[in-house]
Order: sequence, then C-alpha cells, then structure tokens
Amino acid sequence: QIQLVQSGPELKKPGESVKISCKASGYTFTDYAMHWVKQAPGKGLKWMGWINTYTGKPTYADDFKGRFVFSLEASASTANLQISNLKNEDTATYFCARSVGRYYFDYWGQGVMVTVSS
Amino acid sequence: DVQMTQSPSYLAASPGESVSISCKASKSISNYLAWYQQKPGEAYKLLIYSGSTLQSGTPSRFSGSGSGTDFTLTIRSLEPEDFGLYYCQQYYEKPLTFGSGTKLEIK
Repeated sequence: QIQLVQSGPELKKPGESVKISCKASGYTFTDYAMHWVKQAPGKGLKWMGWINTYTGKPTYADDFKGRFVFSLEASASTANLQISNLKNEDTATYFCARSVGRYYFDYWGQGVMVTVSS
Repeated sequence: DVQMTQSPSYLAASPGESVSISCKASKSISNYLAWYQQKPGEAYKLLIYSGSTLQSGTPSRFSGSGSGTDFTLTIRSLEPEDFGLYYCQQYYEKPLTFGSGTKLEIK
C-alpha cells in the first residue's frame, strides 16, 4: 500500500538547522510530485512548495524562499526538507504530501513536529 | 493569493444527523477544490476532489457541491468515526491555499 513515512520529532535551538525526511513506498516515486505543508501550533495549513521528483526541481512559495530547501534521494524514494537558521516561528508540524493532477494531495505523511526553543 | 474562508470553525452533532461545512473562495476557482479529513494521530485523508468527486474509499455519506466561489461538504447520517478536523483546499492557482478548518465533534 502507498505510504509516506516521515522522520521523527526534532528539538532545535534558534540558529540551528534541521533536515526532515519523507520516505515513499508502494508506488513509483518519480511519477508524482511531492509537496510540503506547514502547520504551526493551533494554526491552519500553509503550503510551502513542491519538488518535481522526476527532475529534482524545487519550487518554493514566497514565504519559504531562502532558508528552506527541498531535496531528493530518488534512489531511496525519499524527499527531504531542510530548514536552516531556525527561528521560533518555525515551530510547527511539517507534512509531506503527494500530489495528483493539478495539485491536490491524495497521500500525506504523518507529519514531523519541529520545536525551536532556546 | 486566493483566500479560502471556511465555516463554521466548530461543529457538534449527533450520530445520524447531517452536517454541512462551507468553504468560500475569494475569487472563482472553478471546481478546483479538495476536502480533507484529519483524525488525531492519523495522516490527512483526501475525501473529495474536483469539488464533488469522491476519492476512492470515501464513504458515500460524504458529498461535495459547488463551483466558482462557494462550496459545501455535507456528511449525511453521521457516524461516530466522522469526528475530526476538516479542511478545504483550492488548487486553481499557486500558492495553494487552505481553509482555516472545521472541528467536528460527535455529541
């Protein structure tokens, strides 16, 4: 069955970096784009952007340009999200989600809680 | 950006009742709207796409309607397992945007 399994929770200090992984299984990884979505505590969902899993080209939403990097380990069917120079406002749960067609999401990862605190 | 206004933010209903959740877009998005459900400890689940098309596995008591700017998710004859959070999402244009969510509690 199709699964997106994300890495475990992270506790980081401001200024540090974090890398979150999303391992896909049950389908051909390069056939579907992978998106990243942020959910801050008590807040709604915010789309961060997506990565073309065939070409590796990332596209970032405006609020996520600069400190955020989407990458792939295609041989391992894994998408990664790296956040550098962490800030308190990066505290959130980060989801990967597979998109279908014109970018709705038919499978989601379970989410990774990233806590940034000094 | 397309703003998605979802209401109500909270809903409580008894099993067997019907409920509706509204999602309004700040501009016409044709039928490029999806609905998701999240239960505690579980991954988000796609319920409906293209405004009214049920995703495989979505129970038939769920239905979606609307086009343009106004959309509705209706759950008929609520089951206890329908509690959770519901979100709408437009995919007419980027940035993709979501409604603010509706928490459905079962009385």
